[in-house]
Amino acid sequence: TQLLEQSPQFLSIQEGENLTVYCNSSSVFSSLQWYRQEPGEGPVLLVTVVTGGEVKKLKRLTFQFGDARKDSSLHITAAQPGDTGLYLCAGEGSNYQLIWGAGTKLIIKP
Amino acid sequence: NAGVTQTPKFRILKIGQSMTLQCTQDMNHNYMYWYRQDPGMGLKLIYYSVGAGITDKGEVPNGYNVSRSTTEDFPLRLELAAPSQTSVYFCASSFREGPYEQYFGPGTRLTVT
Repeated sequence: TQLLEQSPQFLSIQEGENLTVYCNSSSVFSSLQWYRQEPGEGPVLLVTVVTGGEVKKLKRLTFQFGDARKDSSLHITAAQPGDTGLYLCAGEGSNYQLIWGAGTKLIIKP
Repeated sequence: NAGVTQTPKFRILKIGQSMTLQCTQDMNHNYMYWYRQDPGMGLKLIYYSVGAGITDKGEVPNGYNVSRSTTEDFPLRLELAAPSQTSVYFCASSFREGPYEQYFGPGTRLTVT
């Protein structure tokens, strides 16, 4: 069974600080996606990474896919209150379906 | 462009009752999915469909049924509701399976008491 573990489960920091959240597995994934979910809404895609070692940047957000395609990280620079939300990683499993992590709940305090 | 719409937004069911959660997408996507999201547990795939007339079980299909008579609609049927089915249900669609974006509806919050 393919599993994705996200850490930390919860993070509360001040505006302007940097943070990193992690998505780890013992399984290899063909690709990995990061979504952000706000209360009362469905997840929205932030990025898809498909190549081992790949780094993608989305403004202040930097996403990295591990060389072995078993893990990924999301780094936020100078966090802002608008970054508050639930961050979910999802890996493309062996049957092409997405395997979801439990999420990191991020709160940025002004 | 409405994207993926779901109704109802909230529902309270008594144990043993049945209901249908509606899902419609206007993006002409062949692939559609039903997930449930429990607190701290991430999203679990209930059923999915790769096109009209084709459905398949996901990770947690027991207690649910689906149909896909058109490309646009993918209703989820709960028969004999149980407290374990209390959850938030999301419908999603995508152009294809694999590394393609899944577009989600706003969710249905269901409580079974």
